[in-house]
Amino acid sequence: GQSLEQPSEVTAVEGAIVQINCTYQTSGFYGLSWYQQHDGGAPTFLSYNGLDGLEETGRFSSFLSRSDSYGYLLLQELQMKDSASYFCAVKGDYKLSFGAGTTVTVRA
Amino acid sequence: NAGVMQNPRHLVRRRGQEARLRCSPMKGHSHVYWYRQLPEEGLKFMVYLQKENIIDESGMPKERFSAEFPKEGPSILRIQQVVRGDSAAYFCASSRSSGGTGDTQYFGPGTRLTVL
Repeated sequence: GQSLEQPSEVTAVEGAIVQINCTYQTSGFYGLSWYQQHDGGAPTFLSYNGLDGLEETGRFSSFLSRSDSYGYLLLQELQMKDSASYFCAVKGDYKLSFGAGTTVTVRA
Repeated sequence: NAGVMQNPRHLVRRRGQEARLRCSPMKGHSHVYWYRQLPEEGLKFMVYLQKENIIDESGMPKERFSAEFPKEGPSILRIQQVVRGDSAAYFCASSRSSGGTGDTQYFGPGTRLTVL
């Protein structure tokens, strides 16, 4: 089975940098995905790491270390619209196994 | 390019009734996944389908729940004799393939099922 851990909530001010860590235990691993969800809306794909290292997409970056079973999502230059829940998800053969999510609150 | 479409967006049923949730994948996608989300929790995998085939239904309760993805038309998640514990948000996702770079799953807006 899969087990993922991520912090339950993070609060930061506009313009700050936030790092959301994700550790996992898994019986099958192909990569780590990150999704954003606003108020129970559709989860929106942010990034995917299949190999070790850093992937950068605009203000968001994601990192993976397979040997440490660890990844993180880095949110830079925080904006109010970034207030949302962020989920890490392990990709197995085809299904995603999600963490419980991190609620990010951005304050003015 | 239309995204994943789900309907209805909200569904209210009384205990014992049937719920039918529909999902149309993105254009060019032939792989469909259903997930369930309870409040304050992550999404839980239920079932993975390709056209006319159920590939993996390991996350779906053995009783009352069924899914299909016919040759023509949307994928259907069917819940018979609903109970209050079935109240949740049900999300559908689709992907172009199940492996490699084409396998990113894109989610629909979800159906929020409330059982009275």
